[in-house]
Formats: sequence, structure tokens, C-alpha cells
Amino acid sequence: DAGVTQSPTHLIKTRGQQVTLRCSPISGHKSVSWYQQVLGQGPQFIFQYYEKEERGRGNFPDRFSARQFPNYSSELNVNALLLGDSALYLCASSPPGTGKAFFGQGTRLTVV
Amino acid sequence: KQEVTQIPAALSVPEGENLVLNCSFTDSAIYNLQWFRQDPGKGLTSLLLIQSSQREQTSGRLNASLDKSSGRSTLYIAASQPGDSATYLCAVHSGNTPLVFGKGTRLSVIA
Repeated sequence: DAGVTQSPTHLIKTRGQQVTLRCSPISGHKSVSWYQQVLGQGPQFIFQYYEKEERGRGNFPDRFSARQFPNYSSELNVNALLLGDSALYLCASSPPGTGKAFFGQGTRLTVV
Repeated sequence: KQEVTQIPAALSVPEGENLVLNCSFTDSAIYNLQWFRQDPGKGLTSLLLIQSSQREQTSGRLNASLDKSSGRSTLYIAASQPGDSATYLCAVHSGNTPLVFGKGTRLSVIA
């Protein structure tokens, strides 16, 4: 079975641009969460979606938005990129009722 | 607000040693605790999940324990190998809240 897949794996953007990151959860997982990990820190929660509805939002500005599609895949959008948005963005999916998170390989975003 | 602390921040050991990584959390009302491994620039690989009702979990050379009342968990690695070199992250799940992570322990196993 395929794990959580994220695309792209790396990208470089210029300050002020917009970016869209994509995530496909493990088959059967209806919950998708997004995390930001800056170098040397643990991942920080951005969003959680379950059955296409937002279930939680971390302490991030409104420049960050996300959505979940009927097939449970998800997109994370970041507008007006800042240098400080440079980080590894991680997507996780969870099977119902277990509380166990499975992570993708991440998308490395560099803002220059 | 849940806070997770991992000690030490970095650890270097010779191959073959047994070692213990520590994780502490401030709110004992947790649903479960999960240990992850992260290789440089990569995603997270789940190692062990301990439910709040459990005391420990084992997988191969890894053993994780949980003392919920004192807000502590340990990850024990037996007979360490150079391939164990990575960052180990502890994350706490408290019901409907998202995972809260520590900053991790960077482990180097020297051949």
C-alpha cells in the first residue's frame, strides 16, 4: 500500500509569490493534517481536515489556507510568501479511531 | 497548553551501546504518545505508539515506556548501530487536539 505522498518534494519561490502544496493520504484515511517544521525545531500544527471540514487551525496567519477534496487529498496554500515561510511542510493522515499519524516525506519550501 | 520537552538535544554514542532518550510533557491528560524517527531533510517515520492506558511498547531493539502521571516517556534503544543515527521526535496527542511535538534528540552512533 502506498504511504502518504506529497508533491512537490522541493521548490523555490520568491518573496511575495504564492505556493500550493499537495498531499494524498493513505487509502481509507479521512483525516489529513499539515505541519510546518523549521530547521532544528519540532513540527508545528497548521491545519487539520476531516471529511472535508476544517477541524483545527494552528497559530498561523491568514496567508495560510487549506482544503480537502472528496477523495480526501488536500492542498495547503500560502500567499504573499515571506522568507520566514522557508521550512519543511509535512502532511499526515490518520485512520479513524486510532490517533496514530502517518507522515509523508515532506515538501521543502525555500523562499528567496 | 501542552508542552513537550526532549532531553538531551543531541547525543553521540559508540556503536553497540544501549541508550535512553527522554520526553516529558506538561499535561498528563493525553490520548497517546508517539515516537518518530526523522532522517535529515526527510519526513517522519513512526516507531512506536503508546496508548494512554499502556505502560510500554516494544518493536525489535526499541522499547518505549510511558508514565502518564509523571508526564514522562522514554525510548530505549538496545545495541545501537550507525544506521540508528537520526533525530528522534516525541509527540503527544490529547484527544481532539493536534499532535504536539518536542524539538527532538539528534542521535549519532559512531562506528
